[in-house]
Amino acid sequence: DGGITQSPKYLFRKEGQNVTLSCEQNLNHDAMYWYRQDPGQGLRLIYYSQIVNDFQKGDIAEGYSVSREKKESFPLTVTSAQKNPTAFYLCASSIGRGTAYGYTFGSGTRLTVV
Amino acid sequence: KQEVTQIPAALSVPEGENLVLNCSFTDSAIYNLQWFRQDPGKGLTSLLLIQSSQREQTSGRLNASLDKSSGRSTLYIAASQPGDSATYLCAGGAYNAGNMLTFGGGTRLMVKP
Repeated sequence: DGGITQSPKYLFRKEGQNVTLSCEQNLNHDAMYWYRQDPGQGLRLIYYSQIVNDFQKGDIAEGYSVSREKKESFPLTVTSAQKNPTAFYLCASSIGRGTAYGYTFGSGTRLTVV
Repeated sequence: KQEVTQIPAALSVPEGENLVLNCSFTDSAIYNLQWFRQDPGKGLTSLLLIQSSQREQTSGRLNASLDKSSGRSTLYIAASQPGDSATYLCAGGAYNAGNMLTFGGGTRLMVKP
């Protein structure tokens, strides 16, 4: 079955440490997105990529970095510059820019600073 | 910039009741409107997608409508069940933002047996 796989499901980060969240899709979608969700709040866009080797900052990109070396993969690194990283992180994909086919989401990674 | 609002933030109803969840958006040049369900600690599951040329979509007990002129979408749930308890989010894509979706804050639904 096609879908989006996020790993790990739970991740713990020590102060000053960089961590990388994985997002892999086998839907052959061109566009991929990273969102952050805090308790009781909506989704906020961190980064998005419309095509391989290209990505754009979203509304809250500071303290995060991404890469898009393969169509299937869009890993998110939470750097030590992100002062409040504890949140639920969601990855999504869509067929491409300008389409009306909507988004497909992964099951999320919960990141906690310890 | 597209802004999406969902009211109420929380709703509690007895089992069997028909209910309506509301979603409003500021940019009427909307590309599509997607409704999602989110269970606690889980990702988002797509329920219905309405494209700009459509007025409504139906799936089982769910019906979603889109009125671009008034900037509103509604999700109608018929004969609600305890298993419908979840957070429901709507998201709108605007023409001037490609396929970027803007999300509402969600409505947390509790259906009591």
